[in-house]
Amino acid sequence: AQSVTQLGSHVSVSEGALVLLRCNYSSSVPPYLFWYVQYPNQGLQLLLKYTTGATLVKGINGFEAEFKKSETSFHLTKPSAHMSDAAEYFCAVTLSNFGNEKLTFGTGTRLTIIP
Amino acid sequence: GAVVSQHPSWVICKSGTSVKIECRSLDFQATTMFWYRQFPKQSLMLMATSNEGSKATYEQGVEKDKFLINHASLTLSTLTVTSAHPEDSSFYICSVLRRGSEQFFGPGTRLTVL
Repeated sequence: AQSVTQLGSHVSVSEGALVLLRCNYSSSVPPYLFWYVQYPNQGLQLLLKYTTGATLVKGINGFEAEFKKSETSFHLTKPSAHMSDAAEYFCAVTLSNFGNEKLTFGTGTRLTIIP
Repeated sequence: GAVVSQHPSWVICKSGTSVKIECRSLDFQATTMFWYRQFPKQSLMLMATSNEGSKATYEQGVEKDKFLINHASLTLSTLTVTSAHPEDSSFYICSVLRRGSEQFFGPGTRLTVL
């Protein structure tokens, strides 16, 4: 079984400051890891994903995340926050075995940008 | 453009009535779709996996007789909330699985049961 822990249900950063959203995972096999963003009353949009290969993954809107197996982490970062980044962010994990694509989501982190 | 659509985007119904939510894959044929429920300020919880041409697989604790899922074609899955009650009020989101790739999420349906 797999699980995801997102530390910090609420994160506030100033516009232009570094964004760091934390995600730790637990998985019995090599995981596939995802970060999604959700704006109010909308579905989820994929920011980035890690499957295999390069551990530093770049996504949309200037976000990136680094897969660190030794730390079982997949933290999301962005060098400079924009007001439009205010949203709910979800980390998710699935097993890498083909056919087992159930996603397990973290509890989410609400990002607030301070003008 | 959108890969997945849901209809309706919001619905209000009286307690005891049934509500049907449609999820359509717009760009590709999907043998597998997922249905999630999200309560306010909470994460997404998987309700069931919908497989075209076979019965849906429900997660533990989800009543299959209350949440009827029909995956009638490779582009359409429906979720029917039967005899809805106020506690069923939630945001329902579907996703479509592209094999070897990822899940694509619909925009969600807001259900309010009075």
